[in-house]
Amino acid sequence: EAGVVQSPRYKIIEKKQPVAFWCNPISGHNTLYWYLQNLGQGPELLIRYENEEAVDDSQLPKDRFSAERLKGVDSTLKIQPAELGDSAVYLCASSLTGQGRVAAGHNEQFFGPGTRLTVL
Amino acid sequence: GNSVTQMEGPVTLSEEAFLTINCTYTATGYPSLFWYVQYPGEGLQLLLKATKADDKGSNKGFEATYRKETTSFHLEKGSVQVSDSAVYFCALKTAGNKLTFGGGTRVLVKP
Repeated sequence: EAGVVQSPRYKIIEKKQPVAFWCNPISGHNTLYWYLQNLGQGPELLIRYENEEAVDDSQLPKDRFSAERLKGVDSTLKIQPAELGDSAVYLCASSLTGQGRVAAGHNEQFFGPGTRLTVL
Repeated sequence: GNSVTQMEGPVTLSEEAFLTINCTYTATGYPSLFWYVQYPGEGLQLLLKATKADDKGSNKGFEATYRKETTSFHLEKGSVQVSDSAVYFCALKTAGNKLTFGGGTRVLVKP
């Protein structure tokens, strides 16, 4: 089974430029997450999608960050314009989330390898 | 709010040494607790978990026990290998499937 796929793996841009990251979750997973991981720190949730709906975007800096998951599968995270402080690793994760009896592994978040962004 | 505190690294060990990484948490309600591992160049992988007090999670020789009275979930392994070199993250999960991570502890095992 393929894991969470992210691209690109690395991106170097100059400040004030736009940048976009793409994530393809595990097939069948209805929940998708974007995390920000600064150097030497743990991941912090930016946004969580249940299918196409953003159910938690409270930590997303909406002045420059945007995300979409139009068909409830792939997702794109965009920064426009990028700032020096945006240099970090952007992680995508997915899970199978639902109500009722929770099977083994249900709700477990599976992470992609991340996109390392460097803003010069 | 919820938070996780884990010991800072790097932790440098010799092969076959005993490893302990301390983790304490603050949370409302009854969180589930996790340890994730991040090998160089790879994404985070779930190492083990515990969903209620006194549960012990174990995997690949690693163990951690959910201690509600001390709000701790320390990770231990009796005999580490070079292949255990990685960054380890303690995390808790509350309602809404939201994970809160600690800052990570880098472990380096030397042959």
